[in-house]
Amino acid sequence: EDKVVQSPLSLVVHEGDTVTLNCSYEVTNFRSLLWYKQEKKAPTFLFMLTSSGIEKKSGRLSSILDKKELFSILNITATQTGDSAIYLCALCSTLGRLYFGRGTQLTVWP
Amino acid sequence: EAGVVQSPRYKIIEKKQPVAFWCNPISGHNTLYWYLQNLGQGPELLIRYENEEAVDDSQLPKDRFSAERLKGVDSTLKIQPAELGDSAVYLCASSNRGYGYTFGSGTRLTVV
Repeated sequence: EDKVVQSPLSLVVHEGDTVTLNCSYEVTNFRSLLWYKQEKKAPTFLFMLTSSGIEKKSGRLSSILDKKELFSILNITATQTGDSAIYLCALCSTLGRLYFGRGTQLTVWP
Repeated sequence: EAGVVQSPRYKIIEKKQPVAFWCNPISGHNTLYWYLQNLGQGPELLIRYENEEAVDDSQLPKDRFSAERLKGVDSTLKIQPAELGDSAVYLCASSNRGYGYTFGSGTRLTVV
């Protein structure tokens, strides 16, 4: 069964738009939730979230976790063509195992 | 600091042939992971090592896949014999007891 569900699976926007990517999860022994950006092959780390309600920010990207409702969102403001990528959400269990969602394919048109 | 190093970057083989991938994790990272990523899917865990011990290999198809991590550092993943459905990207990652996950660039395998 899917433990991590991401939506939408794909998204096409124009430069300057703001996007919100969703990640809902079901996992026992939760340790943390992680967001990755994957452009070519290697996923690159964006955020790690462990506590509810505390927003993590890095430039135009931000993310927040809701452990009660079991979801997280990743926001990107003022999108640029360089933001085009697959964004992966992953749950890390207390055993250190990562469970990935299918990802959201974001395409930003100039 | 060097990241996770994988080789080769690309590999094309005929079905039924063997293939091996190599991974060198970040220095000091005791946990090493091999993931398989099919097109349009997120990475799926094949095997996880804590030092030299395979602690989670439930997703590894043991009839044709094997892995080893000698001396708890480098690791190799082998497929023998390869099938058409094995075409995918094979990602290696390492962490320090589950923290600081870092992925390598992966190996794109094409079986023809």
